[in-house]
Amino acid sequence: GAVVSQHPSRVICKSGTSVKIECRSLDFQATTMFWYRQFPKKSLMLMATSNEGSKATYEQGVEKDKFLINHASLTLSTLTVTSAHPEDSSFYICSATGLLAGGTQYFGPGTRLLVL
Amino acid sequence: SQQGEEDPQALSIQEGENATMNCSYKTSINNLQWYRQNSGRGLVHLILIRSNEREKHSGRLRVTLDTSKKSSSLLITASRAADTASYFCATTNAGNMLTFGGGTRLMVKP
Repeated sequence: GAVVSQHPSRVICKSGTSVKIECRSLDFQATTMFWYRQFPKKSLMLMATSNEGSKATYEQGVEKDKFLINHASLTLSTLTVTSAHPEDSSFYICSATGLLAGGTQYFGPGTRLLVL
Repeated sequence: SQQGEEDPQALSIQEGENATMNCSYKTSINNLQWYRQNSGRGLVHLILIRSNEREKHSGRLRVTLDTSKKSSSLLITASRAADTASYFCATTNAGNMLTFGGGTRLMVKP
């Protein structure tokens, strides 16, 4: 299947700093990328949908100014957690889909964020 | 938003036994997908079944879909210890957005 990478895989930061997470589709053009958040032993919660070249669409309850999403190219989307706080600690997973993906979303390996 | 529910939440079986997980959803869908997640890792796509399909097989996996009951099941036959993971169903609507169920944590004891 298609490959989606995320970087970094783990990050520890101090409260108040900003953290950028990258999501890359390595072997296909991802017209749409999704960002999910997952709490321990819980399911995935969709945070936002981003289409290449457009502003992201955020789900209800997700602060767009706190979770900045950029999808400037067909292979890269970034999620920036601004002024991170301990409650932002979580597992963030991106997924990507494209015209040739047949409706399937391909998931990245996830990024574990710990805010101290 | 629609939310899939999975049942059971946790399942513990012996190696060699079959594991069945169920998923129910609330609104109409385009397709339903099953994913696997090993602890602390990303998701791996297992199988996709379209709304006009009733059953699909992939190796030791068998997925059924009953749109009249808005439910799906995932059967893993002849389970192995390596099948230990969390399994999620996710439905896709016309907007191609995935909505995940709560997941089933499967433990296969050697």
